[in-house]
Amino acid sequence: GAVVSQHPSWVICKSGTSVKIECRSLDFQATTMFWYRQFPKQSLMLMATSNEGSKATYEQGVEKDKFLINHASLTLSTLTVTSAHPEDSSFYICSARYRRADNSPLHFGNGTRLTVT
Amino acid sequence: QKEVEQDPGPLSVPEGAIVSLNCTYSNSAFQYFMWYRQYSRKGPELLMYTYSSGNKEDGRFTAQVDKSSKYISLFIRDSQPSDSATYLCAMSGDGSGNTGKLIFGQGTTLQVKP
Repeated sequence: GAVVSQHPSWVICKSGTSVKIECRSLDFQATTMFWYRQFPKQSLMLMATSNEGSKATYEQGVEKDKFLINHASLTLSTLTVTSAHPEDSSFYICSARYRRADNSPLHFGNGTRLTVT
Repeated sequence: QKEVEQDPGPLSVPEGAIVSLNCTYSNSAFQYFMWYRQYSRKGPELLMYTYSSGNKEDGRFTAQVDKSSKYISLFIRDSQPSDSATYLCAMSGDGSGNTGKLIFGQGTTLQVKP
């Protein structure tokens, strides 16, 4: 149980284009999903909390107009990187809670490596 | 000062060794403690989840939490080359109403040599 699937696993795009990343909870419903970003040899930094049926909550310093999050169903959240630039190249990872309790552990997808050329 | 401190390593050990990985933290209110394993180019995988102080054992892995010292540990017995990965500690539950936001350490890179 608690499988989180992320797609695509890697993507290369040109500067100025937009990229959509999907995160699905395969065997459970997730009212809340979390999007993280990870630079090489660094830890995970929370970007935003995705809430089913409502607006995402963004962490300080994360541009909400650049990183669009949509949580349209209990099993799917999407992150769209708009007008991507080389500095947006990173490893993006989504996660979800298997159980509704706020402090139950997160289960992560396998990440999406974005390279903007 | 970071909320969670973790030595990035790398830590290199021979196969069969006992490995000790540690994190310290500054917020004494944290109540939930986790260890994740992350292989290169993959998402983190949950290894251990503990609440408050004490020990928890699962196979070759033992997690220890010492809230009085604000110190958590992960021990790996009979380490294997397949244990080579980055190990991230994480914690939550500081009661600030932040819906269980996880705070991660930097991660320690472990290499187990055959």
